Amino acid sequence: NAGVMQNPRHLVRRRGQEARLRCSPMKGHSHVYWYRQLPEEGLKFMVYLQKENIIDESGMPKERFSAEFPKEGPSILRIQQVVRGDSAAYFCASARDRESEQYFGPGTRLTVT
Amino acid sequence: QKEVEQDPGPLSVPEGAIVSLNCTYSNSAFQYFMWYRQYSRKGPELLMYTYSSGNKEDGRFTAQVDKSSKYISLFIRDSQPSDSATYLCAIAGFQKLVFGTGTRLLVSP
Repeated sequence: NAGVMQNPRHLVRRRGQEARLRCSPMKGHSHVYWYRQLPEEGLKFMVYLQKENIIDESGMPKERFSAEFPKEGPSILRIQQVVRGDSAAYFCASARDRESEQYFGPGTRLTVT
Repeated sequence: QKEVEQDPGPLSVPEGAIVSLNCTYSNSAFQYFMWYRQYSRKGPELLMYTYSSGNKEDGRFTAQVDKSSKYISLFIRDSQPSDSATYLCAIAGFQKLVFGTGTRLLVSP
């Protein structure tokens, strides 16, 4: 029973490039959450999605960031025109329903040079 | 005031000690309470999940919630060097988790 899967595990981008982070939830989970962890800081909520719907994006920066969870395939977090301040670990979590516990993936570590 | 406050530590204890980790929160609307363990450069691993005041035990771990005081705790009995990690409290409100900053625990043999 595979857990939450994220890829790539490490991603290096130059300033101005685009970053795409993928998340496949646990089997049977249809709720996906994205969190960001900056060095020496706690995890911060970014966005909550169900299949084909964004439920809560209150933690997403207004520009350059977008997320989707299509009917088929993984959830994608997309960062356009990356800047050095986007360097962080991005974690995806999935849950069976909105009141269930969230299980985290191993994260994608984004480095912007 | 942060929504969730957690002492960052580090907390150093000898092997076999009882460890107490704590968080306070400000919003009484929070309903679900979790503890995660995170090893360096890994994803958070769920340890405990509870939604009511009182104690919940799982092996060497006990989670305690006091909603009247807005205070949650995690106790680790017979701590082991393998317990050395960062422990994150997380509180669920309005569908998203709000995390404390994490307490770094070091258990020395």
